[in-house]
Amino acid sequence: DVKVTQSSRYLVKRTGEKVFLECVQDMDHENMFWYRQDPGLGLRLIYFSYDVKMKEKGDIPEGYSVSREKKERFSLILESASTNQTSMYLCASSTTGQFPYNEQFFGPGTRLTVL
Amino acid sequence: QKEVEQNSGPLSVPEGAIASLNCTYSDRGSQSFFWYRQYSGKSPELIMFIYSNGDKEDGRFTAQLNKASQYVSLLIRDSQPSDSATYLCAVNSDVGAGKSTFGDGTTLTVKP
Repeated sequence: DVKVTQSSRYLVKRTGEKVFLECVQDMDHENMFWYRQDPGLGLRLIYFSYDVKMKEKGDIPEGYSVSREKKERFSLILESASTNQTSMYLCASSTTGQFPYNEQFFGPGTRLTVL
Repeated sequence: QKEVEQNSGPLSVPEGAIASLNCTYSDRGSQSFFWYRQYSGKSPELIMFIYSNGDKEDGRFTAQLNKASQYVSLLIRDSQPSDSATYLCAVNSDVGAGKSTFGDGTTLTVKP
């Protein structure tokens, strides 16, 4: 069974803290994604990685960075958390090598609250 | 103009009715189209995908694609309360690129 896991379901941090969100997939997918989801704003892409050590900015990369040192793991980093980064963060993975191409598999999400 | 737009919700239908969800996209070169369902408090999951013009049926669900008009729709026949969820339309412009663009979603409520 395909699986994408995220390190925490709920996280509470203080303003200014450095925050790490971890995502692991066991499907050998080359593509991995970080989204945030807010009411009324839909899914917004933060960063995208199509290979180890490769990354592309999404629609809202400001205030975030990412790391992909191994194929199965994609980390999202908030360098200095702010209250406007309070949100649901979703990780996803996909592959172009298996039909249906580019179906995205999502993790359970991390609800981050920044106080 | 957003790249992928969905009909504004929320949408409410009685049990047993047909629910119609619509999505338009701006990139005429888009190649693949997906419908994801997201229950409240859960993650999106794929329920339908379509690549070619026309209809694709899977049980009570039918996806319709019209590339000339740049729209894709999802019909849910015999709607059930368990179909109550947010439905996300996603469009992929380049199969090799791996990235899809999502609409904001339409929330469907099926009333018993």
